[in-house]
Amino acid sequence: NAGVTQTPKFRVLKTGQSMTLLCAQDMNHEYMYWYRQDPGMGLRLIHYSVGEGTTAKGEVPDGYNVSRLKKQNFLLGLESAAPSQTSVYFCASSQSRNRVEQYFGPGTRLTVT
Amino acid sequence: AQSVTQLDSHVSVSEGTPVLLRCNYSSSYSPSLFWYVQHPNKGLQLLLKYTSAATLVKGINGFEAEFKKSETSFHLTKPSAHMSDAAEYFCVPMIKAAGNKLTFGGGTRVLVKP
Repeated sequence: NAGVTQTPKFRVLKTGQSMTLLCAQDMNHEYMYWYRQDPGMGLRLIHYSVGEGTTAKGEVPDGYNVSRLKKQNFLLGLESAAPSQTSVYFCASSQSRNRVEQYFGPGTRLTVT
Repeated sequence: AQSVTQLDSHVSVSEGTPVLLRCNYSSSYSPSLFWYVQHPNKGLQLLLKYTSAATLVKGINGFEAEFKKSETSFHLTKPSAHMSDAAEYFCVPMIKAAGNKLTFGGGTRVLVKP
């Protein structure tokens, strides 16, 4: 049982390039989340999903898109990366509406030059 | 709306002494509250949660927290600090609506001195 995994662990992009971050969970959780963490700050919610095929915007969604085609996977896309998107990205999942504890992945460190 | 204030941005303790991390919440009703820990360059780990059941909540690694409605507080304590407790700690309220969203603040960084 690996829990929540994230791919890749590190990435460097040039401004304007695109990429997709993959989050996978093997706990059969319904809810999944993408956050970003900037130095000295807590996490901010980018997008989330309450089930397969559904997505919703969080606190800072601009510049990002997401997809949840399979229950176990939640993809975060950057279509045209900007230096302001340099951050550490965390994925999390929780079991259901009533089992609310979120379990986090190890993070992806993204640098945009 | 729910929000929390972690009263200390940094806490320094000696190994073997008690740890107290203070968290006050602001809400018109009893919130769901969590304490998470983040070790350097790691993801977040759930320490404990309060969801309106028992007011004294025991978590992992010897941590516990007490929900005090009269003081609107949810302070995190540990009787004896260990070097491995050096990390950042987040007191996090949850909006139990669509998505069960967590709202993170700045956290408290704990330094443990030998």
